[in-house]
Amino acid sequence: NAGVTQTPKFQVLKTGQSMTLQCAQDMNHNSMYWYRQDPGMGLRLIYYSASEGTTDKGEVPNGYNVSRLNKREFSLRLESAAPSQTSVYFCASSEGLGIDTQYFGPGTRLTVL
Amino acid sequence: DQQVKQNSPSLSVQEGRISILNCDYTNSMFDYFLWYKKYPAEGPTFLISISSIKDKNEDGRFTVFLNKSAKHLSLHIVPSQPGDSAVYFCAATEGYGGSQGNLIFGKGTKLSVKP
Repeated sequence: NAGVTQTPKFQVLKTGQSMTLQCAQDMNHNSMYWYRQDPGMGLRLIYYSASEGTTDKGEVPNGYNVSRLNKREFSLRLESAAPSQTSVYFCASSEGLGIDTQYFGPGTRLTVL
Repeated sequence: DQQVKQNSPSLSVQEGRISILNCDYTNSMFDYFLWYKKYPAEGPTFLISISSIKDKNEDGRFTVFLNKSAKHLSLHIVPSQPGDSAVYFCAATEGYGGSQGNLIFGKGTKLSVKP
């Protein structure tokens, strides 16, 4: 089992460019999440998907869109990247919401110039 | 306003001694607390959790204590090992009572265990 996989591992964008971060899980989990981690900060929730077909905003959703493509895959899109979106992005999945343990991917390090 | 606070950005401990990592929270609705461990260039991994109906939970070398009246929890690692060197995140949620609250993370404490 690969667990939670993320692509790409690293990405450099210019301001205004767009890109999609991909996430897939092979644990048959219902819920998936996107977080960002900035230096000296904890993880902050961008968007989450409680189950296939649903998505909801988290704490910091501005500038992002998400798609729950199927039960396995949850993508995060930056339509017009800004330097403030320079961060490490983590995808996670869990059986359900609430107290179910979240399993994290290895992260994508994104730099926006 | 931070709902989950880890006021010590870093902690250095000698191998074999006890490591104590602290976490405070402000939201009295939180009823489930977790610790995650993160190595560089990896995602966080779940370490241990505790619900608000308990005041202590143990798993091997790791023990989490919860003081609800003080809105404070701590993670004890005994004995500390060099492999424990990582960033530790405290997290909280309202999810234990059936609510489907999201995890709120602290900023993390970087633990260094010196041989």
